[in-house]
Amino acid sequence: FELTQPPSVSVSLGQTASITCSGAALSKQYCYWYQKKPGQAPLLVIYKDNERPSWIPDRFSGSSSGTIVTLTITGAQPEDEADYYCQSADNRGPYDLVFGGGTTLTVV
Amino acid sequence: EMQLVESGGGLVQPGGSLRLSCVGSGLLVSDYWMHWVRQAPGKGLVWVSRSNSDGTRTNYADSVKGRFIISRDSAKNTLYLQMNSLRADDTAVYFCARFLVRYDAFDLWGLGTMVTVSS
Repeated sequence: FELTQPPSVSVSLGQTASITCSGAALSKQYCYWYQKKPGQAPLLVIYKDNERPSWIPDRFSGSSSGTIVTLTITGAQPEDEADYYCQSADNRGPYDLVFGGGTTLTVV
Repeated sequence: EMQLVESGGGLVQPGGSLRLSCVGSGLLVSDYWMHWVRQAPGKGLVWVSRSNSDGTRTNYADSVKGRFIISRDSAKNTLYLQMNSLRADDTAVYFCARFLVRYDAFDLWGLGTMVTVSS
C-alpha cells in the first residue's frame, strides 16, 4: 500500500498550488494532509479528504477523485512554504497507517 | 495549553535498546489512542505504532514489529516506546501524536526526540 506524491511543487506568491496524492486505497479510504516545517511538529491541515480544522486558513482546501486526492492552496503565502504529507490507512488487516513521501512546497 | 513532550532519545549502538517517553500536559494521554511516527534525516514521515486508550490494543509497522513495544502509564500520563535490537535505519526523530476521533486524524504532536543508531 503506497501513497505517491510529487517531490516538489513551486508556486508564485499569491497564486494557486496543487499537491496530489495518489494510491489505490484512496478510492475507499479517507486522506489526511499534514504540514511539516523544519524543527516544528507536523500540523493537520485537511482531514477526511476535504474538511478543514478551525485553525487552518480557508485558503487551504482538499478534494478527491477516485484514487487521487488533491491539496489546494489558493493564494499561497510565504508561511505556506513547507513539506506536505498525505496520509491514509491500509484497508487490509489492522489498518496500518501510511504516509506519502512528502512534497516540498516552495513559494517564490 | 495542551502539549506532548517526547524524551529519551540519544546515541545508541546497533543492537542496543532505548526507551522513549511522551508526557502529556493539559490532557490525559489515557483518554486517547496514541501513536508514534518517525522521520529519518532528510526523509518523510513514517508511522511506527499505535496504542488504544487503555493499552490493550497495539499495532506496529512491519519494520519494527517484534523489536518495538508501545505502552503507557496512566499514573504518569506518559506514553512509551521501548526500542530493542536497534538498527542504523531506525535513526530518526520520533514523534508522539494524539489521534482524535473528531478528525479521525492526528491533531496534536510533540516536537520529537532524536534517536541515532551508530557505532
